Amino acid sequence: EIVMTQSPATLSVSPGERATLSCRASQYVSTNLAWYQQKPGQAPRLLIYGASTRATGIAARFSGSGSGTEFTLTISSLQSEDFAIYYCQQYNHWPTAFGQGTRLEIK
Amino acid sequence: EVQLLESGGGLVQPGGSLRLSCAASGFDFSNYAMAWVRQAPGKGLEWVSGIAGSNGATNYADSVKGRFTMSRDTSKNTLYLQMDSLRAEDTAVYYCAKTGGRYFLFDYWGQGTLVTVSP
Repeated sequence: EIVMTQSPATLSVSPGERATLSCRASQYVSTNLAWYQQKPGQAPRLLIYGASTRATGIAARFSGSGSGTEFTLTISSLQSEDFAIYYCQQYNHWPTAFGQGTRLEIK
Repeated sequence: EVQLLESGGGLVQPGGSLRLSCAASGFDFSNYAMAWVRQAPGKGLEWVSGIAGSNGATNYADSVKGRFTMSRDTSKNTLYLQMDSLRAEDTAVYYCAKTGGRYFLFDYWGQGTLVTVSP
């Protein structure tokens, strides 16, 4: 099974600054990589799929990049509502696998 | 508007059973694969089971295979998860999720229902 590893576990960033989150797959997953945002007490929300395509209604400050085994989620200018936990997920191989999450907190 | 509404969670003893439901609306339910994904308290996300839109074929994570059964009723636009032989480690919020374009790509999620397995 593919293991997804996210780093860092916790990222402290000030509002208005850029945040960069990383995700690594233990095997090649092409660009079949998604990012989800989860706020406390809420369900996850799809942000990015295909490694770099924003889902419907997702703000342009969210961008994804990478292919193969290394991926990045960048939030260009953090807003207060962006502080949450972010998960990456590979959907190239059965079974799908999620990373353990990166908690983005206010600095 | 896509809506997914789970129900059926609660407290159950180890070895017991529970059936979760997910009422779907706002899309052609029979044409999309669906899934159950769970999240243990304070932990990450774990895919549990999936059902194909085209033929209703199901598959399961190894951790629940043989104990959980996923099904759907396309006349009611409802998804089910029958959970038997429950263990403490099954304690989690269970989300139903709609797929979009790819079998494991989840574009809409329900609000979740909490299952607690405890004596």
